Amino acid sequence: QKEVEQDPGPLSVPEGAIVSLNCTYSNSAFQYFMWYRQYSRKGPELLMYTYSSGNKEDGRFTAQVDKSSKYISLFIRDSQPSDSATYLCATDSGTYKYIFGTGTRLKVLA
Amino acid sequence: GAVVSQHPSRVICKSGTSVKIECRSLDFQATTMFWYRQFPKKSLMLMATSNEGSKATYEQGVEKDKFLINHASLTLSTLTVTSAHPEDSSFYICSASSGAGGYNEQFFGPGTRLTVL
Repeated sequence: QKEVEQDPGPLSVPEGAIVSLNCTYSNSAFQYFMWYRQYSRKGPELLMYTYSSGNKEDGRFTAQVDKSSKYISLFIRDSQPSDSATYLCATDSGTYKYIFGTGTRLKVLA
Repeated sequence: GAVVSQHPSRVICKSGTSVKIECRSLDFQATTMFWYRQFPKKSLMLMATSNEGSKATYEQGVEKDKFLINHASLTLSTLTVTSAHPEDSSFYICSASSGAGGYNEQFFGPGTRLTVL
């Protein structure tokens, strides 16, 4: 079993839709959870990070962590064509090393 | 936010040659730098972790003699792919962290695309 599982997609949605991206993880020691956005042939950029369970909101983005079920989510409201990218979840147990999911390719159609 | 640069952004080389990729933290001191490899439509795979002034720690399955990492200063790390072969063609991404305990944010570079002919 991979430590972090993520559906690779692709996921296509119409402009303005609410997007839900999800990951599961296996190690209960993971404490920090990040979402990165990566455009084609570019490095990943941090969207949000959360610590432990709960929700965190930043503009159109909401990150959610449920440690009891080892499930993390990213919601994008009012999605835009410019949101089309690959979204990577990642965890960090506090040991400096990040573990990434495979990434979900998102396409927002105008 | 913190900025990490990589040079070159793209390199094409012949099989058997060596290629050096530089990773620089432009506005902060990076005690730890990381090198990742990414195949098309795949996730980032950590290759090695390096701390300034000490030897890099390689992940299982990564050949340290093939992928030479030097972290000579708090702002510069280099990855040298020695005797490159077509299977080494990939997207190489570095990241840097100032590492102060707790959540250690890594700032990623823009990546280097290596093509070995």
